[in-house]
Amino acid sequence: SQTIHQWPATLVQPVGSPLSLECTVEGTSNPNLYWYRQAAGRGLQLLFYSIGIDQISSEVPQNLSASRPQDRQFILSSKKLLLSDSGFYLCASASSGSGELFFGEGSRLTVL
Amino acid sequence: GESVGLHLPTLSVQEGDNSIINCAYSNSASDYFIWYKQESGKGPQFIIDIRSNMDKRQGQRVTVLLNKTVKHLSLQIAATQPGDSAVYFCAEAKGGSQGNLIFGKGTKLSVKP
Repeated sequence: SQTIHQWPATLVQPVGSPLSLECTVEGTSNPNLYWYRQAAGRGLQLLFYSIGIDQISSEVPQNLSASRPQDRQFILSSKKLLLSDSGFYLCASASSGSGELFFGEGSRLTVL
Repeated sequence: GESVGLHLPTLSVQEGDNSIINCAYSNSASDYFIWYKQESGKGPQFIIDIRSNMDKRQGQRVTVLLNKTVKHLSLQIAATQPGDSAVYFCAEAKGGSQGNLIFGKGTKLSVKP
């Protein structure tokens, strides 16, 4: 099975500051990688997915961006955070072709 | 937007009883459905999945039922235990892939000792 590492686990940032959330995957190669956001009391919203290095698709227009500099590394970034960016961010990985979707433990972002 | 929803936002059951968590989906083209369990402050964990060519699938203490006629999905947990307390999400996908899942809002299951 895969192991997903996410950090930081908790982050409090002021409005207008930059953001970088990192995710690394162990136990597989060439996975499909995903960033989801979970607002309080809501389901999971897909933000970005990647089928390979430097191949990123955005599902929702916003001030966030994602990058995949290495096969098993996925980064979520922002140049200037908004209050509405607060939430619980989850990185997920799935082996190409099928298979179970594995989630990281999440990063809780609070923008003040 | 979300096309998968849940009938009840919260469910409270007595330890040892069976739990049934329901879910409705709206996309008749969806052919793959999954239940996830999310404990407080953690990421979701896969519980069980079912493809549209099946009506029922059983795991350890869990059963998923799919009714394509009314586009309804349910998760049954037998002999519910305190460790089952969590938020349960159903999700749907098309093409058998977990990648582009549409998640419901979740049902919070509380197990009373």
